Amino acid sequence: GQQVMQIPQYQHVQEGEDFTTYCNSSTTLSNIQWYKQRPGGHPVFLIQLVKSGEVKKQKRLTFQFGEAKKNSSLHITATQTTDVGTYFCAGRNFGNEKLTFGTGTRLTIIP
Amino acid sequence: KAGVTQTPRYLIKTRGQQVTLSCSPISGHRSVSWYQQTPGQGLQFLFEYFSETQRNKGNFPGRFSGRQFSNSRSEMNVSTLELGDSALYLCASSIQGWGITGELFFGEGSRLTVL
Repeated sequence: GQQVMQIPQYQHVQEGEDFTTYCNSSTTLSNIQWYKQRPGGHPVFLIQLVKSGEVKKQKRLTFQFGEAKKNSSLHITATQTTDVGTYFCAGRNFGNEKLTFGTGTRLTIIP
Repeated sequence: KAGVTQTPRYLIKTRGQQVTLSCSPISGHRSVSWYQQTPGQGLQFLFEYFSETQRNKGNFPGRFSGRQFSNSRSEMNVSTLELGDSALYLCASSIQGWGITGELFFGEGSRLTVL
């Protein structure tokens, strides 16, 4: 079945440093979504990417969808303490609406 | 508008018992999905319902079942509980219809502890 892996599993950064998490699918995706889960909270939708090679920005966050639609990345510039949490990618296969979540990257910030 | 509501928020059961969890989606949302979240396994897909029909199912044993009612509210049931069923069970709703995909709105979850 479809597998979605994320690396790294954990990332500790100094406040102000950049952060990147990578998402890789074993199959080609129709679209990919990113979610953020704060400690003790529930996942909250960040963005959806649909097109091959698509790049979207939200303030300090930059999301990319690979040309082959099998990988994606989330980059945060100049991290802040509010960025703490676990970031999940979630992908859908063509013809199957099931959303498969990645393993997640847990980001901690050192003030 | 009100978000996704899950009840109960916390519950403790013993092995062999059964449990029913409830989820009320956002008004107007017809799709409800259930996920199991554990520290070691991340977010594992259980099942998805749309208009009272189970559209997708994850790789969980038959002890895990669910249903959706005509008002889009959903329940999931776990029978013959095992220690490994201890987890946070998350429900998510979306406007998603056949051929249309969209973001998921998650509830706060039901934290199940099996002793």
